[in-house]
Amino acid sequence: GDSVTQMEGPVTLSEEAFLTINCTYTATGYPSLFWYVQYPGEGLQLLLKATKADDKGSNKGFEATYRKETTSFHLEKGSVQVSDSAVYFCALTGGFKTIFGAGTRLFVKA
Amino acid sequence: SAVISQKPSRDICQRGTSLTIQCQVDSQVTMMFWYRQQPGQSLTLIATANQGSEATYESGFVIDKFPISRPNLTFSTLTVSNMSPEDSSIYLCSVAGSTQSGGTDTQYFGPGTRLTVL
Repeated sequence: GDSVTQMEGPVTLSEEAFLTINCTYTATGYPSLFWYVQYPGEGLQLLLKATKADDKGSNKGFEATYRKETTSFHLEKGSVQVSDSAVYFCALTGGFKTIFGAGTRLFVKA
Repeated sequence: SAVISQKPSRDICQRGTSLTIQCQVDSQVTMMFWYRQQPGQSLTLIATANQGSEATYESGFVIDKFPISRPNLTFSTLTVSNMSPEDSSIYLCSVAGSTQSGGTDTQYFGPGTRLTVL
């Protein structure tokens, strides 16, 4: 069945460092791919999405490109801030079902 | 995006009791989902709440333990029945297929209900 694998955390970075959180997937068909972010004590918020191969999703300085050849959707940000500290979930939707990765916790130090 | 509220935001309950969680959306949506998120874990889908029919449960979840109602296109409830400490978790409502959102593939989440069972 469909699955999502993302890098284990926690990831600890200093402010203004470059961020990459790896995400790979297995799926039949052509799923849509998502990154969600969960701040402490809150629900999940949609961060960005891409619906077809080579699409780039972007929001708040975060980017991810739908790479069908490598079945990947890595999340990147050029310069992280303390306020980016949160848990990041990679997800795919095929049909009406969404599959979430395990989540990667990011700590950003001032 | 759809705006989703959940009540209660948190509760502490005694073993053997039941708690009903409400999910309200500010627009009509096609699909509503209930998830469980245990501390430090990812999300596990409990069921899909279907308007006008019974919910569709995932493997490991049953209607007697987690009865769900979906009386209309903007509201759903999840009941956690006969609770035990193992039910302590965050319960999240999500929606897809809002007329205000980007299609049925994108889910929007409520803030969650943090449940502790003693």
